[in-house]
Amino acid sequence: DIVMTQSPLSLPVSPGESASISCRSSQSLLYSNGYNYLDWYLQKPGQSPQLLIYLGSIRASGVPDRFIGNGSGTDFTLEISRVEAEDVGVYYCMQGQQTPLTFGGGTKVDLK
Amino acid sequence: EVQLVQSGTEVKKSGESLTISCKGSGYSFRNYWITWVRQVPGRGLEWVGRIDPSDSQTRYSPSLQGHVTISTDASIFTAYLHWNNLKASDTAVYYCAKGAYALDVWGQGTTVSVSS
Repeated sequence: DIVMTQSPLSLPVSPGESASISCRSSQSLLYSNGYNYLDWYLQKPGQSPQLLIYLGSIRASGVPDRFIGNGSGTDFTLEISRVEAEDVGVYYCMQGQQTPLTFGGGTKVDLK
Repeated sequence: EVQLVQSGTEVKKSGESLTISCKGSGYSFRNYWITWVRQVPGRGLEWVGRIDPSDSQTRYSPSLQGHVTISTDASIFTAYLHWNNLKASDTAVYYCAKGAYALDVWGQGTTVSVSS
């Protein structure tokens, strides 16, 4: 199985500041078609997860451009600029390269 | 509006059987895989498996293969997750989601509580 490792575990951020979350995979997520099969999800408190970024860097419909996905191969980053109160929750990366799909352990983002 | 609506909370005992459901609307149900993900209380997300409603092809997590069964009735736009022999360790919230990856629509979750 591909192991997904996220850091940090917890990330307190002041409103208006930027935040960065790292995700590393134990195998390359770069497929022969040139796409990285890496998604980012946000689970807000008491809600179902929601898709933020797919194929490493493509924002899902309705996701603000404050969210940017970067990286390739085994190293990926989710950048959040100008953090707002609505961004609070647990962020997960997930690899879709091969089954079983696997998630990172999650990064809890909250406001200082 | 694209939606996945799941069946309600279940409280069961070890050894019992259970089927939970996920009904899609607002999109072409047969064209997208349905994925099941579970979340043990206070823990992270775990992939359970997925099904292609067009041909019922399935993929399972190796840790759950043989313990759960995923099926679909595309004529009523519904996917199912079934257990024949529940264990206390199956206690979790189960989500269905649209897609094989890039899971862009999620159900509201079904809470399954299993007592020993």
